Amino acid sequence: GIQVEQSPPDLILQEGANSTLRCNFSDSVNNLQWFHQNPWGQLINLFYIPSGTKQNGRLSATTVATERYSLLYISSSQTTDSGVYFCAVERSSSNTGKLIFGQGTTLQVKP
Amino acid sequence: ETGVTQTPRHLVMGMTNKKSLKCEQHLGHNAMYWYKQSAKKPLELMFVYNFKEQTENNSVPSRFSPECPNSSHLFLHLHTLQPEDSALYLCASSPLDRGGLTEAFFGQGTRLTVV
Repeated sequence: GIQVEQSPPDLILQEGANSTLRCNFSDSVNNLQWFHQNPWGQLINLFYIPSGTKQNGRLSATTVATERYSLLYISSSQTTDSGVYFCAVERSSSNTGKLIFGQGTTLQVKP
Repeated sequence: ETGVTQTPRHLVMGMTNKKSLKCEQHLGHNAMYWYKQSAKKPLELMFVYNFKEQTENNSVPSRFSPECPNSSHLFLHLHTLQPEDSALYLCASSPLDRGGLTEAFFGQGTRLTVV
């Protein structure tokens, strides 16, 4: 099956710093989403980005589908950005909406 | 009100109990999903329902029994679970529109502990 690898696995930042999270995937995809999992477990949608670039406030994401990777940028990080960030993809050959998740990047932003 | 609502938020059950998890979506989507998140593991798909029909069972043990009475509701019936089934169970829905958006939205999850 398709492999989804996220890096780095853990990241510690000082408040105000910028960061880049990476997601590599091993097959062509028709869906790619970035999520932030809050301390209570809920997955918050950040971006639906099978290709191209999007921005939402301090966050932006870029997916280069032909090279099979996506990047999530966090600028001017805040303590509320702490948590686990997941990348999830659906293979292009899939017709079920099945998402395959990476292992996640655990981000800690210190005040 | 969130688009996808799960109840209960927390559940503790004995290995001989029978319980059910409920999920309801208010987004008009036609596909619903159960995912399992165990400690130190990525989220794993359990079941997919498309227009109330189960389209995928990801080799889930029969002690987990899904039910989808309509496109807005999804249940996960639990019986004779094992302690290793303790996990966060997440429900999701998506429009599954092949010609457009297929963005999935998740509920808050049910944190299950089997004792």
